[in-house]
Amino acid sequence: AQSVTQLDSQVPVFEEAPVELRCNYSSSVSVYLFWYVQYPNQGLQLLLKYLSGSTLVKGINGFEAEFNKSQTSFHLRKPSVHISDTAEYFCAVSGPNDYKLSFGAGTTVTVRA
Amino acid sequence: DTGVSQDPRHKITKRGQNVTFRCDPISEHNRLYWYRQTLGQGPEFLTYFQNEAQLEKSRLLSDRFSAERPKGSFSTLEIQRTEQGDSAMYLCASSLSGGRQPQHFGDGTRLSIL
Repeated sequence: AQSVTQLDSQVPVFEEAPVELRCNYSSSVSVYLFWYVQYPNQGLQLLLKYLSGSTLVKGINGFEAEFNKSQTSFHLRKPSVHISDTAEYFCAVSGPNDYKLSFGAGTTVTVRA
Repeated sequence: DTGVSQDPRHKITKRGQNVTFRCDPISEHNRLYWYRQTLGQGPEFLTYFQNEAQLEKSRLLSDRFSAERPKGSFSTLEIQRTEQGDSAMYLCASSLSGGRQPQHFGDGTRLSIL
C-alpha cells in the first residue's frame, strides 16, 4: 500500500514570493504521483502529475514539482504566487495496478498582499 | 467535456434518516470513484466502479453505505440510518481506464447531520 505525508499543514506566503509545499511518499513499488488544488467549497482540480520520465514536471498555473526517488519526495513549487493561489493543496499517490488515490492531509496556502 | 457533476451540493438531514447522492461522470470515462473528505483531512477512498461493476470497497464503507452504477453511467451513493460521524464532503471522481489516467473530481456533496 502507498501513503503520503505532507510535511506542512499551513504555509503563509506574501504575494509574488516563491512557495514550496513538501510531500513525501511511502511505497514498495513504483508509483504515480499527483498534486491537486482545492478552492473553498469546490472539488479537487489536478495541478500536475508524475507518471514516468523526466523528474521535473510542469503543471497549470505556473506550478512545477520534482520527483526524487532516492528521497521519496514530490515537492511542489511556484516561483511567484498570486492572491488567487490561496487554497488547499493535496499530494496523492497511486500504484501501477492500484486505481484509488491515497491523499495526504493537505497544506493550506494563504497568500497575503 | 462538461466535467463531473454531483447533486445535491448540500444536504442537511436528521440523524437516522436515509440520504442518496448522485454523480454524473465525464461521459467517456468508464471508471468512477467515491471519496469522503472530513474537515481538515484529505479525501479517503470509499469505492470504485469499472463500468457497472463495483470492483473495490474500502473498510470505511460500512453496511449502511451502498453505491450503484446501474448502466455504467451515473452513480448513486446511499447512506442509511445516518449518524453524526457521516457528516463530511462526499466527492465523486471519474477517469479513463489505466492507473496512469488522472481522476477528475466533482464539486462534492456536503452532508450535515443534525
